[in-house]
Amino acid sequence: SQTIHQWPATLVQPVGSPLSLECTVEGTSNPNLYWYRQAAGRGLQLLFYSVGIGQISSEVPQNLSASRPQDRQFILSSKKLLLSDSGFYLCAGDRLNSPLHFGNGTRLTVT
Amino acid sequence: KNQVEQSPQSLIILEGKNCTLQCNYTVSPFSNLRWYKQDTGRGPVSLTIMTFSENTKSNGRYTATLDADTKQSSLHITASQLSDSASYICVVSGGNRDDKIIFGKGTRLHILP
Repeated sequence: SQTIHQWPATLVQPVGSPLSLECTVEGTSNPNLYWYRQAAGRGLQLLFYSVGIGQISSEVPQNLSASRPQDRQFILSSKKLLLSDSGFYLCAGDRLNSPLHFGNGTRLTVT
Repeated sequence: KNQVEQSPQSLIILEGKNCTLQCNYTVSPFSNLRWYKQDTGRGPVSLTIMTFSENTKSNGRYTATLDADTKQSSLHITASQLSDSASYICVVSGGNRDDKIIFGKGTRLHILP
């Protein structure tokens, strides 16, 4: 079955520093991959999704970017973090009509 | 506008009791509805997935129902345990190829001993 690996679990970064969160998928090929941000009491907000290598769709304008250099690798990046980038980031993957599988998330605190 | 509304926002019950969580959606056309359990600080884990033609699906002590006509779903938890304390998220997928997955804000369930 599909497993989503995400790291690190927690991260504290100063404002203005770069960011790189990595997500890898195990157990399936050619998945759809997603980056979500979860704010307390506000549900999950879709940031980026990818249907294949090099194919990235952005859902909201922001300070973040995503890349998919390999079929089962999805990276969330920022050149300069803002305080407002603090949050809980979740990577997820699915295939047609299969459940959406989530990683365990990264708690990012920008100080 | 496609939306998913969950109620209640939070719920506190005693261990051993049953409870029911609600999910109403306006997503149309509809493809499938999923319930997820999310422990604090962890990623959501899938409990059930139902398509348009399915009315009920069980996973252990969790039973989900779906009424596609009224666009309502419920998640019933039987004989609650302390480990059921978590957020429960209703997720609806649209039926069009380019439709996104719509998340509810979740119900926060607290089980007291």
